[in-house]
Amino acid sequence: AQKVTQAQTEISVVEKEDVTLDCVYETRDTTYYLFWYKQPPSGELVFLIRRNSFDEQNEISGRYSWNFQKSTSSFNFTITASQVVDSAVYFCALRVSGSARQLTFGSGTQLTVLP
Amino acid sequence: KAGVTQTPRYLIKTRGQQVTLSCSPISGHRSVSWYQQTPGQGLQFLFEYFSETQRNKGNFPGRFSGRQFSNSRSEMNVSTLELGDSALYLCASSLGPGSKNEQFFGPGTRLTVL
Repeated sequence: AQKVTQAQTEISVVEKEDVTLDCVYETRDTTYYLFWYKQPPSGELVFLIRRNSFDEQNEISGRYSWNFQKSTSSFNFTITASQVVDSAVYFCALRVSGSARQLTFGSGTQLTVLP
Repeated sequence: KAGVTQTPRYLIKTRGQQVTLSCSPISGHRSVSWYQQTPGQGLQFLFEYFSETQRNKGNFPGRFSGRQFSNSRSEMNVSTLELGDSALYLCASSLGPGSKNEQFFGPGTRLTVL
């Protein structure tokens, strides 16, 4: 069975601070995909990034960056110079190949960026 | 390109009733998945459809069912509603059922059961 843990339930930062959201996953599969989604108050889940288990290269996209480490089963997400519009719930998710293709989500981290 | 659309956006029902929710995927997407989101259980997978066939099912009772039409639109039905069915129901579409395909989510239908 798959499991995703987001230990940080809520994080509050002041605008322009950097913030890192932690994600730890568990799976016995060797081929899997990791995702991050953002859920603003409107409710819609917004896709941010997908990584596959064979690509540990870190990625940067504007103010967002992701650190994937298979050795620690972690896929952390950093927002640099946070903005009020970044306030949302962020979900980390895992999907394995094969029959169990559904996304397994973590419990989410509520990020509040204060002006 | 239009995103995933879900109707209705809000719904209020009473216990024992049944409800049907609709999802139209992104044009060209043929796979549709449904998720339930509640404060207590978080986001949980309900089922996945591709080419009008259910390909995968989560751990939900038989009161939860779904179907997919030839145009890839999907509906989910919940019969004999219970208070615990109050939730945000999210639909996601992707090109196909492959694991690498990103799933794009709709705005959800918020169901309240009184």
